[in-house]
Amino acid sequence: ETGVTQSPTHLIKTRGQQVTLRCSSQSGHNTVSWYQQALGQGPQFIFQYYREEENGRGNFPPRFSGLQFPNYSSELNVNALELDDSALYLCASSSPPGGDSGANVLTFGAGSRLTVL
Amino acid sequence: AQTVTQSQPEMSVQEAETVTLSCTYDTSESDYYLFWYKQPPSRQMILVIRQEAYKQQNATENRFSVNFQKAAKSFSLKISDSQLGDAAMYFCAYRRGNRDDKIIFGKGTRLHILP
Repeated sequence: ETGVTQSPTHLIKTRGQQVTLRCSSQSGHNTVSWYQQALGQGPQFIFQYYREEENGRGNFPPRFSGLQFPNYSSELNVNALELDDSALYLCASSSPPGGDSGANVLTFGAGSRLTVL
Repeated sequence: AQTVTQSQPEMSVQEAETVTLSCTYDTSESDYYLFWYKQPPSRQMILVIRQEAYKQQNATENRFSVNFQKAAKSFSLKISDSQLGDAAMYFCAYRRGNRDDKIIFGKGTRLHILP
């Protein structure tokens, strides 16, 4: 059983640029969630994708967008990068929303560390 | 809005001793789940333990157990027989119901294990 893999692990961008982060979900999981973890903070929910559609969104502006593909992998895109976007971006996969209590446990990847200069 | 508060930014414990990490939360929901996640230097979040709000019995997982006080909205984590591998950031987290889309995390507690 493969876990959640994210790429790239580290990247550096400059203000105004655009970035795409990628995530492959754990085998058997069809729901992907993205979180932003600023330095010294807990992760904050960005959005979730289920069946290739956005299934909930946190308090992030529209320049944060995502995609989910038929194989359940996902991308997080951030346009017009700002200095405050510097953070660790975590992807997590899970079984479909709902179902029994054991089915909705998140499996996290190791994250992509983005630095915006 | 739901919130999760961890009041201890850092804690230290001697190896083989017991340590308790504190967490309080605020919600008006009756159906929710509480979690403790561990984040080692490898950055990958690992689920340590989970508690369903409707269960009165405190969850346990080997050396890890919780003290769930629903009326006080308190959810502390006890680590017994601390090991060097327990050193990490620990995050308390909340999810509304079983169908909600997001988990709300606290700011974390960094746990140091002293040899």
